[in-house]
Amino acid sequence: SQKIEQNSEALNIQEGKTATLTCNYTNYSPAYLQWYRQDPGRGPVFLLLIRENEKEKRKERLKVTFDTTLKQSLFHITASQPADSATYLCALLGGSSNTGKLIFGQGTTLQVKP
Amino acid sequence: DTGVSQDPRHKITKRGQNVTFRCDPISEHNRLYWYRQTLGQGPEFLTYFQNEAQLEKSRLLSDRFSAERPKGSFSTLEIQRTEQGDSAMYLCASVSQGAYNSPLHFGNGTRLTVT
Repeated sequence: SQKIEQNSEALNIQEGKTATLTCNYTNYSPAYLQWYRQDPGRGPVFLLLIRENEKEKRKERLKVTFDTTLKQSLFHITASQPADSATYLCALLGGSSNTGKLIFGQGTTLQVKP
Repeated sequence: DTGVSQDPRHKITKRGQNVTFRCDPISEHNRLYWYRQTLGQGPEFLTYFQNEAQLEKSRLLSDRFSAERPKGSFSTLEIQRTEQGDSAMYLCASVSQGAYNSPLHFGNGTRLTVT
C-alpha cells in the first residue's frame, strides 16, 4: 500500500544551524510533492511544491530536493531561527489525481534552540 | 482573501451525542476537503467536494459521519453518536479550480473532545 514516512522523532538543533528533514515514500510515483508547516493548534500552511522533473527548489532560507529514484524528499532550513520551530509535513497527491487529494506524512517536529 | 474559517474552534461533548462542524472556504474556491488529525499524526483525508457534489469519501468515514456542501459554499461535517475514538482535530481545506497539484488552504480546525 502507499506509504509516506517522516522522522517521527523530534529534531532539536541550535539556532543558526541547518535543519534537514526527510520524507520517504513507497508504492507511489508522484508527479509532485508538497511541504507544509503546522504550528500547535493551527492548520497546516503551504510552504513549497516540487515537481518530479525538478531536482531542487528554493525559497528564501528553504530548500527542497526530490529524488524519484530514492523515493525521497529532503527539506532544508538554513540559518535556522527559534521561529522556525514547528511541525513540518510532506504530502503527495493520493489516489486518482483528479480529486487533488493529498496524503500526508506524520510530520517531523523541529525545535530550534537559541 | 479572508482565509478558511472553521467553527467552533473547540467542542467538548459526551459520548453518544451528535456534533456538527462548519467550514467556510475561501469564497472563490470550488474544491473543499475535510481531514482528521490525531496527536502526533498527519492529517488523514475524510472527504472531498467539488462545488456541491461529494466526489470522494474515505473508507475511514463510518456511517456515523456525514458531510454536506449545499449550494457549493460552506460545508458541514456531522458526527452522530460520537465515540471517544472520534476525539481529534477536524480540518477543512479549500482550493480554487485549477491544477490538481495546487496547494491546499487549511482552516485552523475544530478540536473535538469526546468524554
